[in-house]
Amino acid sequence: KAGVTQTPRYLIKTRGQQVTLSCSPISGHRSVSWYQQTPGQGLQFLFEYFSETQRNKGNFPGRFSGRQFSNSRSEMNVSTLELGDSALYLCASSLEGLAGDRSSYNEQFFGPGTRLTVL
Amino acid sequence: AQSVAQPEDQVNVAEGNPLTVKCTYSVSGNPYLFWYVQYPNRGLQFLLKYITGDNLVKGSYGFEAEFNKSQTSFHLKKPSALVSDSALYFCAVRDLTGGGNKLTFGTGTQLKVEL
Repeated sequence: KAGVTQTPRYLIKTRGQQVTLSCSPISGHRSVSWYQQTPGQGLQFLFEYFSETQRNKGNFPGRFSGRQFSNSRSEMNVSTLELGDSALYLCASSLEGLAGDRSSYNEQFFGPGTRLTVL
Repeated sequence: AQSVAQPEDQVNVAEGNPLTVKCTYSVSGNPYLFWYVQYPNRGLQFLLKYITGDNLVKGSYGFEAEFNKSQTSFHLKKPSALVSDSALYFCAVRDLTGGGNKLTFGTGTQLKVEL
């Protein structure tokens, strides 16, 4: 099976612009999560989508948003970019079942990430 | 809230020696624990997980981890380190608050294996 793919791999934007990042999960995976990785804050959870619904959200401002399509592909959008948004954005997918179903607590598989630089 | 701690920013070990990367957890309820590795300019690669069952979990690339409930630890181990094991290692816990599939990561431990 092909792994998780993310596009683009690198992106340079200026303050105030907006950006859209894309993630294609492993075939058959319905759960897609997004994480931000920075040297100062480490790995932080942004949000998770499952069957086109946002199932969980981290502590990020409303400028960060996402969505999931019927084929499980996901996009995240950051509006009004700030310098502090410079980071590696990682997408992960998992073969996930219903929330609370412990038997389906599977590992997440990560994509290579999108390196966003805000100037 | 669920959390994990990695007390060492960096671990140095000689090739051929055993390695241990430490992780302790704080959770309410049953812990669901994971180890990931990250090579430079790459995403995270899954190594192993503890959901339930045996306290010794075997994973990829010869790594294993020991779940210790009394010490709330989930240390990553390998009997004989390789230079190619040099990378950034993350311990993570599945955070069940709010439902869904959210991982809370430790701060990471840089492993350096030297000849």
